[in-house]
Amino acid sequence: AQKITQTQPGMFVQEKEAVTLDCTYDTSDQSYGLFWYKQPSSGEMIFLIYQGSYDEQNATEGRYSLNFQKARKSANLVISASQLGDSAMYFCAMREVGYNNNDMRFGAGTRLTVKP
Amino acid sequence: DAGVIQSPRHEVTEMGQEVTLRCKPISGHDYLFWYRQTMMRGLELLIYFNNNVPIDDSGMPEDRFSAKMPNASFSTLKIQPSEPRDSAVYFCASSSGTGAPGETQYFGPGTRLLVL
Repeated sequence: AQKITQTQPGMFVQEKEAVTLDCTYDTSDQSYGLFWYKQPSSGEMIFLIYQGSYDEQNATEGRYSLNFQKARKSANLVISASQLGDSAMYFCAMREVGYNNNDMRFGAGTRLTVKP
Repeated sequence: DAGVIQSPRHEVTEMGQEVTLRCKPISGHDYLFWYRQTMMRGLELLIYFNNNVPIDDSGMPEDRFSAKMPNASFSTLKIQPSEPRDSAVYFCASSSGTGAPGETQYFGPGTRLLVL
């Protein structure tokens, strides 16, 4: 079963505007972590932000914030004040803290294009 | 600190040849992961190690694939014999192994493999 769903294959945003990338997940665990990674055209996977299932506050890292809605099982990434360098693939991932607690599952990704 | 190091960055080989991909994890990290990324299947976990011991190899596609970790600072992923459908980007990642939900996996730059 698909654990992580990213429903937007591609997104466009105007430079300096904010954009939200959607991510929903499926788990029966109470303790889990949600991650976002960025993959620019150069290919490397860059860790952006993390949200724990017990965290009451939404995570923020600079221009990145995570809109965590636990009841809806969503963990959307918000990028504020988009820059041309934000153009990349973005992957949502989940790590369930259980028996196999290092198995991180990734979504299919969203390709973000920032337009000047 | 140096990040995860992978070599080679690019590999072009002919069908039937043996391919060896190499990875040096971040010093002090107890977990090492091998992933494969393709357009069709996205990012897939192939195998991971804890303290040099393979823990879960259920993602290894078939017997042509093998992975070893002879010491804490080195791992190999071998494909023998290689086939065109093995063409993909292979990532190595490592994490500290604290067991905390927020334990982040840090990725290497990847090896882009093309099997002709």
